[in-house]
Amino acid sequence: DAGVIQSPRHEVTEMGQEVTLRCKPISGHDYLFWYRQTMMRGLELLIYFNNNVPIDDSGMPEDRFSAKMPNASFSTLKIQPSEPRDSAVYFCASSLEQGGDTQYFGPGTRLTVL
Amino acid sequence: DQQVKQNSPSLSVQEGRISILNCDYTNSMFDYFLWYKKYPAEGPTFLISISSIKDKNEDGRFTVFLNKSAKHLSLHIVPSQPGDSAVYFCAARTAGRRALTFGSGTRLQVQP
Repeated sequence: DAGVIQSPRHEVTEMGQEVTLRCKPISGHDYLFWYRQTMMRGLELLIYFNNNVPIDDSGMPEDRFSAKMPNASFSTLKIQPSEPRDSAVYFCASSLEQGGDTQYFGPGTRLTVL
Repeated sequence: DQQVKQNSPSLSVQEGRISILNCDYTNSMFDYFLWYKKYPAEGPTFLISISSIKDKNEDGRFTVFLNKSAKHLSLHIVPSQPGDSAVYFCAARTAGRRALTFGSGTRLQVQP
């Protein structure tokens, strides 16, 4: 299996621009998670989906952030407009309903907002 | 409010010796605990886990111990190898919820 795929791996943008991060979970996995890692806050959950339905978005920092999962093999995290404080590494992870709590992480997208 | 705390940001040990990484938690509703390992420029990878009904789980060189009364868990790596050098994250979840709460991580360096 190819594992969780994220794109792009690196994104540099200017403040105010729209940013879209993409994730392809492991085929057959029921859950998809978006995390953000920063020096100040560590690794924090933003939102997660079960069978393409958002279950918990309490970690989404503000309305500038939105996430969608139009089908079982694709999810996006969008920031509009972006701000310098959004600079972080964004991870996507997926897991299997019957697989317990093991989440498999993608390589991450390093976002820099200038 | 950090519900999962890893108070040691870094740890250095000699190859062949034991590495002990510690984690404390405050939420008594946590019932499942995991350790993840992360190399630079990669996502975290699952290492080992333990349910709250157990106090020990072992997998090869890795053993996780859970002390529920102290709300403390630890990861032992014996013997430590240079390839174990990475950042280790402790994570926890509550029953019925898939979301994980992560600690801030401990950077382990194993000296050859």
